[in-house]
Amino acid sequence: GEDVEQSLFLSVREGDSSVINCTYTDSSSTYLYWYKQEPGAGLQLLTYIFSNMDMKQDQRLTVLLNKKDKHLSLRIADTQTGDSAIYFCAEKRPGGSYIPTFGRGTSLIVHP
Amino acid sequence: DAGVTQSPTHLIKTRGQQVTLRCSPKSGHDTVSWYQQALGQGPQFIFQYYEEEERQRGNFPDRFSGHQFPNYSSELNVNALLLGDSALYLCASSSTGQGLDSPLHFGNGTRLTVT
Repeated sequence: GEDVEQSLFLSVREGDSSVINCTYTDSSSTYLYWYKQEPGAGLQLLTYIFSNMDMKQDQRLTVLLNKKDKHLSLRIADTQTGDSAIYFCAEKRPGGSYIPTFGRGTSLIVHP
Repeated sequence: DAGVTQSPTHLIKTRGQQVTLRCSPKSGHDTVSWYQQALGQGPQFIFQYYEEEERQRGNFPDRFSGHQFPNYSSELNVNALLLGDSALYLCASSSTGQGLDSPLHFGNGTRLTVT
């Protein structure tokens, strides 16, 4: 999982925007994912982006992809306390292996 | 429409024992992947099953084995448990028929504690 890098913690105030960043390793990765994990639960797929796109928006979530720098970000608008969780970035590489590789996760803390 | 279900939710075992974890995939999915998530880490890929065969394997010893049944459900077996096997074990299902863009859908996991 260490091939995909994320900062470990992010703290924001309720109502502000959150931006979670990720760098991945394989410039030919086909899909990039964002998952959310709440305490005691499994991973919930939030959104994903195909490598030929540079942006995807889904309600409060915006994903930006910079293929040149192998950088992925997730922006959460109007962050709420219910958004507090661990967010995982994952890349799916081409070839025979269709197994996503996960980062260590970013713990998002939203305070009033 | 039930999602991915795993059982049991929690398990406590002693070093040297054996454990079996179970997973039922999301309806319509035919592929099951197993991940180990240690505390503070991201999920690490153990193996993936499709058409009742192990299709891909991560960097885990042979003590970790699995099985997939004709109804697509799956089991993960771990023999000769070590303290370091304590982790959250996650099952994820997907549909191979959808090709590359079939994302993984995860269950809530089984928390295994080895004492």
